Amino acid sequence: AQRVTQPEKLLSVFKGAPVELKCNYSYSGSPELFWYVQYSRQRLQLLLRHISRESIKGFTADLNKGETSFHLKKPFAQEEDSAMYYCALIYSGGGADGLTFGKGTHLIIQP
Amino acid sequence: ETGVTQSPTHLIKTRGQQVTLRCSSQSGHNTVSWYQQALGQGPQFIFQYYREEENGRGNFPPRFSGLQFPNYSSELNVNALELDDSALYLCASSSSLGSRGYTFGSGTRLTVV
Repeated sequence: AQRVTQPEKLLSVFKGAPVELKCNYSYSGSPELFWYVQYSRQRLQLLLRHISRESIKGFTADLNKGETSFHLKKPFAQEEDSAMYYCALIYSGGGADGLTFGKGTHLIIQP
Repeated sequence: ETGVTQSPTHLIKTRGQQVTLRCSSQSGHNTVSWYQQALGQGPQFIFQYYREEENGRGNFPPRFSGLQFPNYSSELNVNALELDDSALYLCASSSSLGSRGYTFGSGTRLTVV
């Protein structure tokens, strides 16, 4: 069965410092990996997906199949990055397109 | 273009009762998924509906059931409510099966007492 692990419940960094939110997954097959973000009082929204290989709001994430990781990184944190971040994967091979989420990491950027 | 709307926003039910939660999908979206998010946890996939049929299901018992209507709106029904059913229920729609562009609603907060 697929599983997503986000080891940090809370991560606090200072503005301007680098940020790395960790995500590890277990899955037998070819998963698609995503990062979702939820800002205070807003809905869950897609931040980025590994297939797109794009940078959104300065964030990037590289899928490392050898380490089964999909860590989210940003070189210089900004206060508006404070939010709840969820790593998720999807089974791509028939059946339902249900996302499997990690428990989330609460990122706090201190001024 | 309207987003995903869910109703009600909050409700309180007694153990053993039944509840129906509603979701209007984003305009142009024909696939709806439901998730349960317990406090301090990530969302958990309940099931997905496509063209009014259940397309797949997570690890939830049969007392969790759903419907999708011709206008692609959807309902989540939970029978014989248990205290552990207390959670935020999220609806997400996408433009087609296999599309990864999920749009989430704000959720319904269900409290079972």
